[in-house]
Parts: sequence; C-alpha cells; structure tokens
Amino acid sequence: GAVVSQHPSWVICKSGTSVKIECRSLDFQATTMFWYRQFPKQSLMLMATSNEGSKATYEQGVEKDKFLINHASLTLSTLTVTSAHPEDSSFYICSASPWGSYEQYFGPGTRLTVT
Amino acid sequence: QKEVEQDPGPLSVPEGAIVSLNCTYSNSAFQYFMWYRQYSRKGPELLMYTYSSGNKEDGRFTAQVDKSSKYISLFIRDSQPSDSATYLCAMNPGGYNKLIFGAGTRLAVHP
Repeated sequence: GAVVSQHPSWVICKSGTSVKIECRSLDFQATTMFWYRQFPKQSLMLMATSNEGSKATYEQGVEKDKFLINHASLTLSTLTVTSAHPEDSSFYICSASPWGSYEQYFGPGTRLTVT
Repeated sequence: QKEVEQDPGPLSVPEGAIVSLNCTYSNSAFQYFMWYRQYSRKGPELLMYTYSSGNKEDGRFTAQVDKSSKYISLFIRDSQPSDSATYLCAMNPGGYNKLIFGAGTRLAVHP
C-alpha cells in the first residue's frame, strides 16, 4: 500500500515552454501533498505544501508564479513549471501524507531537462 | 546550526556487516521520526516510521529514538549490496508540518 505515482518520469522541453508534472496517490487519499526539488548528490529541498482545495504554501525563495501547484482532488496534485529555463532543470519529487497520519510517501520523481 | 545533522559519508562496509546510521537534532518538539532509503535517480522509500522514543524493528532494520539525547539511529543487520543507497533521516513535530531532512548518508555495501 501507500503508492504514489508521478508522470512523466522524464521530460525534455525547450526554454520558454511550460511543463506539467502530475502526482497521484494510488491507494490512499492524501490530505496533504508536498513538492520537492533535488539536485545531484544533495538532499531534498521542499518547494511547497498543498492541501486539497486550497492554495499551496510556498517555501521562502520559491517563485509561486513560476511553479504553479494545483491540488484538485484528494489523489491528484500537479506542478506546472512555467516559462522554463535551463536553471529549472532538476529532479522533482512529490510526496503525499495519508489522511490522519504524518508520514510521507514519495513518488518516483520526474527528471526535467530544459534545453 | 542545522536543525538536523547527518554525516553524509560515504560509508563503505563489507557484505554481512552491521551498519549504524545516525542523526542528531536540535528541536525538542520533534515527535515523529522517519528513515528513508533513496536509490540513485529514484524517489525516497519509507523504511521506518516511529513516534517518540523507543525502538522499532522490521526485518533487518531497527530504528532507535532517544529523545533525551536528541539522537536517532537506524541499524541494518546482515547488510547486502542491494542496501547500497543514500539513507535520509527525517522528522517533524506532527500536525501536518513539513518534514525536516538530514543531508543523507551514502552507504556502499561491497561483496
């Protein structure tokens, strides 16, 4: 149980375009979902926390207009990287917390390359 | 000072060894403690989840929490090459607060 999926697993896009990444909790309802960014050989950096039906809470230094987060249902959250630039190239990982518990289950990650 | 300190390693051990991974923390409000395993280019996988002080065992893995010392450990018995990964400790005070992660320890188990 507690499976989280992400789609796509790998995406290449051109500079200036937008990319949407989906995060789904497959076998549980997630009150809260989180989006992280990870650079090679570094730990996870939390970007934002989203609760179903409300606006996401962004961490300091994360541009909310650039990284749009929508938590449309208890099983789906999306991250849209708008007007992507090469410096946005990174590994993006989502996680979800089941209703009533505090542990987080992570998706497999999405590798974004902006050319 | 970081809220959570974790030695990044790398830690190299022979197959079959007992591995000890540790984190220290400064925030006494932390009550929920987790250990994750992350393989290269993959998302972290939850290994152990404990609440407050005490021990928890699951197969070859044992998690220990000592809140009085603000110190948590993960022990891996009979380590295998497939255990080679980065191990991240994480913790939070509860209430849907964000997880605070350690830097991660890179472990290599060689045959």
